[in-house]
Amino acid sequence: AQKITQTQPGMFVQEKEAVTLDCTYDTSDPSYGLFWYKQPSSGEMIFLIYQGSYDQQNATEGRYSLNFQKARKSANLVISASQLGDSAMYFCAMRDGYGQNFVFGPGTRLSVLP
Amino acid sequence: DVKVTQSSRYLVKRTGEKVFLECVQDMDHENMFWYRQDPGLGLRLIYFSYDVKMKEKGDIPEGYSVSREKKERFSLILESASTNQTSMYLCASSPVHRGSNTEAFFGQGTRLTVV
Repeated sequence: AQKITQTQPGMFVQEKEAVTLDCTYDTSDPSYGLFWYKQPSSGEMIFLIYQGSYDQQNATEGRYSLNFQKARKSANLVISASQLGDSAMYFCAMRDGYGQNFVFGPGTRLSVLP
Repeated sequence: DVKVTQSSRYLVKRTGEKVFLECVQDMDHENMFWYRQDPGLGLRLIYFSYDVKMKEKGDIPEGYSVSREKKERFSLILESASTNQTSMYLCASSPVHRGSNTEAFFGQGTRLTVV
């Protein structure tokens, strides 16, 4: 069965520092995609970054990068140079070939301190 | 600009009422989803639809039904609302997954309170 685990319910980081949000996943399908979403207090879900299971390089999008360790089934999100506007809930999600739906983790609440 | 639109941002309903949550997407996506979001539990799938008139139960379908008569519209129905259905409801759509980046696009969410 598909499963996403995010072990950090809450994280604090100082402004301008880097932070890593953990995500581990479980699937038996060799073809899958991993996604990170940001949810500010306003409630909308904002797509941040995608990593495919066959991608050779770690994905990057601006200040976001995904530390993909396939053997460990780990897909951690790294945010560099944190900003106050990064304070939000962050969800890791997976989609594999067995189904068309997305499985989400419980989320990590990130608070950026001035 | 691609869009998923949910009919209401906030709703307050009474116990026992029949409640309709509407979702419309303009991206011609095959897949549409209804999730429920509760603190500490993340997003849990209620139902999804992969084509018109097709639906599959997700993880928590009890107390809910869905309707997809047109490709762009996916409705969530609470047959008889109860207080334990007070939650944030998120609609999403996506293309069919074919091994590449096929992210889900979300609506703004409906915060439903059942009193």
